[in-house]
Amino acid sequence: DAKTTQPPSMDCAEGRAANLPCNHSTISGNEYVYWYRQIHSQGPQYIIHGLKNNETNEMASLIITEDRKSSTLILPHATLRDTAVYYCIVRVAGGNQGGKLIFGQGTELSVKP
Amino acid sequence: GAVVSQHPSRVICKSGTSVKIECRSLDFQATTMFWYRQFPKQSLMLMATSNEGSKATYEQGVEKDKFLINHASLTLSTLTVTSAHPEDSSFYICSASTSGGSNEQFFGPGTRLTVL
Repeated sequence: DAKTTQPPSMDCAEGRAANLPCNHSTISGNEYVYWYRQIHSQGPQYIIHGLKNNETNEMASLIITEDRKSSTLILPHATLRDTAVYYCIVRVAGGNQGGKLIFGQGTELSVKP
Repeated sequence: GAVVSQHPSRVICKSGTSVKIECRSLDFQATTMFWYRQFPKQSLMLMATSNEGSKATYEQGVEKDKFLINHASLTLSTLTVTSAHPEDSSFYICSASTSGGSNEQFFGPGTRLTVL
């Protein structure tokens, strides 16, 4: 079972920041937080991941709370092409589980003009 | 970035036939490949993990004799749906990773299977 909880859907105005929350209260010390997104009828696309420090790349920023029980993915200037289902996944890097990704239901983000 | 391709992108077949789906890592060597299935309006469900040169590890509830997985090289894994039935109609997606799956997974574009 997925170890994360996300709101099923969110709306965002084009050009505004989209803040997508994720709860992972049972996260273990060796588990990373990964974010992927899936545009309709396509394969998932990697966005960002982090362990405990905040991370930023060209796509997004990831804010992880100090207790690591929740995180927020931030798309700073959402565009219509950011409309997708966003998945927050906790994952052990390596180890016996071999890095499996277990997808939950995700958040369906709709960016509106 | 790393590119993963799937072939075919879409296939329609008759009930009882077998269908083979290919997953290729185009610009890197994938020691581990994963196969997922996604039904409409649902999330991705991991079916199996395959490591190059060894037998695939199937998730609970996935029939290994029905979904045959071969990972004969570091750039190619195949999923064969044997004796397909309409309930096997789904979106099949593969992903590829290096170093035993500990690094980021790169996903293919998916294959839409429709069984009549």
